[in-house]
Amino acid sequence: QKEVEQNSGPLSVPEGAIASLNCTYSDRGSQSFFWYRQYSGKSPELIMSIYSNGDKEDGRFTAQLNKASQYVSLLIRDSQPSDSATYLCAALSGGGADGLTFGKGTHLIIQP
Amino acid sequence: EPEVTQTPSHQVTQMGQEVILRCVPISNHLYFYWYRQILGQKVEFLVSFYNNEISEKSEIFDDQFSVERPDGSNFTLKIRSTKLEDSAMYFCASSEQGLGYGYTFGSGTRLTVV
Repeated sequence: QKEVEQNSGPLSVPEGAIASLNCTYSDRGSQSFFWYRQYSGKSPELIMSIYSNGDKEDGRFTAQLNKASQYVSLLIRDSQPSDSATYLCAALSGGGADGLTFGKGTHLIIQP
Repeated sequence: EPEVTQTPSHQVTQMGQEVILRCVPISNHLYFYWYRQILGQKVEFLVSFYNNEISEKSEIFDDQFSVERPDGSNFTLKIRSTKLEDSAMYFCASSEQGLGYGYTFGSGTRLTVV
């Protein structure tokens, strides 16, 4: 059974600080990992994808992957109130036709 | 920016009725997917569709569900005889190349079975 685990939160971070979100996955065959942002009642919106061990930066976001530890993280620098949302971690084990396995998400609150 | 369009945004149906949820994927995308999210729960994979046939499906996608691409633009999910537990947000998604390049999700259809 493929599982992606996240702390559901809420995670409260002051505006301007770094928010750190974490996820672990169970399937060692997972190859690709994604972070989605989901506002309440809305669809998931892709923020970052990562496929190789190490860090990947895109603007204020940095994704980190450690396949040995089966661990993925997302750092959000200079957090803004508009970053307040639920962040979903997802893993893909196979090819393009395979479905993503999502975690339940971490609810992030940025305090002004 | 190209969008995945879903209709209707909200559908209420009586238990036992058939519903069809509609999606228009992004025009140059090749892979199409349906996911669902029960309120407060995870986003769950239902089915993927490529080259006019189902590629993968989850345990949730049983005989009550079917998908179709009736023309060059629409992609539909049919639930034959709805149950109360089918109440959820249903998301359509499409991907240009698959292989984990990330999906574009539609805005979703909230299905309420009463």
